[in-house]
Amino acid sequence: AQSVAQPEDQVNVAEGNPLTVKCTYSVSGNPYLFWYVQYPNRGLQFLLKYITGDNLVKGSYGFEAEFNKSQTSFHLKKPSALVSDSALYFCAVRATFSGNTPLVFGKGTRLSVIA
Amino acid sequence: GAVVSQHPSRVICKSGTSVKIECRSLDFQATTMFWYRQFPKQSLMLMATSNEGSKATYEQGVEKDKFLINHASLTLSTLTVTSAHPEDSSFYICSASSTGVGVGHSPLHFGNGTRLTVT
Repeated sequence: AQSVAQPEDQVNVAEGNPLTVKCTYSVSGNPYLFWYVQYPNRGLQFLLKYITGDNLVKGSYGFEAEFNKSQTSFHLKKPSALVSDSALYFCAVRATFSGNTPLVFGKGTRLSVIA
Repeated sequence: GAVVSQHPSRVICKSGTSVKIECRSLDFQATTMFWYRQFPKQSLMLMATSNEGSKATYEQGVEKDKFLINHASLTLSTLTVTSAHPEDSSFYICSASSTGVGVGHSPLHFGNGTRLTVT
């Protein structure tokens, strides 16, 4: 069975500084990895995904993530954090190529960007 | 882009009543819809997988008679919380997947969620 671990409940960073939100995964076969962001009382917004190809994936709002197969990690990064980036971030994995399988989510990491 | 509409966004009901939540895919056909439940400060827990025209598949520990799921068309799935109790209060989120094999790399599209409060 696949699983995702987000080891940090909370990440605090000063505005303008780089940020990293960590994610490791466990899946048999090739992983399909995703990052989503959630604002209060809202659904999830897609940020980026890794399917295959270049290990560095660029997504929405200046976010990027690096796939590291040897470390089974998919950390989310941004070079310069904004206060508006403060939200709850979820890493997710999908193990199969079929559209009728759900995503398995990590527990989420709350990002707080301080002005 | 693909849009999933979820309604209502908030609902308050009395204990013992039933509440229906709708999830619609607005610009694509969703063979499969997923229903998640999110507790405060916790992750999304998959409740069930809903396939158009067939019975939903429930995750272990989810009461199928309490959480009735209907997926009557390729654009609509409903979740009915029957005989609601205060412990059913939660944030419910639906998501939809396009049809066909080979779309596993496509991101799921999520509704904005429904905040259910049972008094």
